[in-house]
Amino acid sequence: RKEVEQDPGPFNVPEGATVAFNCTYSNSASQSFFWYRQDCRKEPKLLMSVYSSGNEDGRFTAQLNRASQYISLLIRDSKLSDSATYLCVVDWTVWSGSARQLTFGSGTQLTVLP
Amino acid sequence: DVKVTQSSRYLVKRTGEKVFLECVQDMDHENMFWYRQDPGLGLRLIYFSYDVKMKEKGDIPEGYSVSREKKERFSLILESASTNQTSMYLCASSLWAGTDNQPQHFGDGTRLSIL
Repeated sequence: RKEVEQDPGPFNVPEGATVAFNCTYSNSASQSFFWYRQDCRKEPKLLMSVYSSGNEDGRFTAQLNRASQYISLLIRDSKLSDSATYLCVVDWTVWSGSARQLTFGSGTQLTVLP
Repeated sequence: DVKVTQSSRYLVKRTGEKVFLECVQDMDHENMFWYRQDPGLGLRLIYFSYDVKMKEKGDIPEGYSVSREKKERFSLILESASTNQTSMYLCASSLWAGTDNQPQHFGDGTRLSIL
């Protein structure tokens, strides 16, 4: 059964703190990984893709550990505007020739406090 | 920028009504998806389509159908609305890239209430 597991939080951190989220996935054949951000009552928006070698985008760093089947997101120097729910997303192939689906975790809620 | 437009932000319907939710994307994406999102359950895939007139069931297709007559438009149909279909409905689209998955781009969502 496909599964993407995230700690739902909430994570409440002070401004300027470093915070990390982990996410585990069950399908070892998964090849594409993403982090999405969702603000309250808004649609999910792509934050960043996650590459095998790890990647960084400003204050955000994503890592992939295929052996242990988890991905992580690190946010440094957190800002008030980082408050949101962060969704871990993993691809899930139904069968070749069809569209590959994405499986979304339930999200980790982050609140950055002044 | 990718633009995915859902026809309504808020919709209120009655039990037993046939409900149509429309979604249009302007980026010539092959793949389109319908999800519903409920507190504590996250995003759940209802149906998806990888080409015109093609459709595939997702995780929770019961009580729903879809239509993809044109590449840019993907419609979700609630055949006979029930109160347990009250939810936030999200449409998404993505580019077909062979074996590589592409990120999905979402519309603003439709908050549907069934009374």
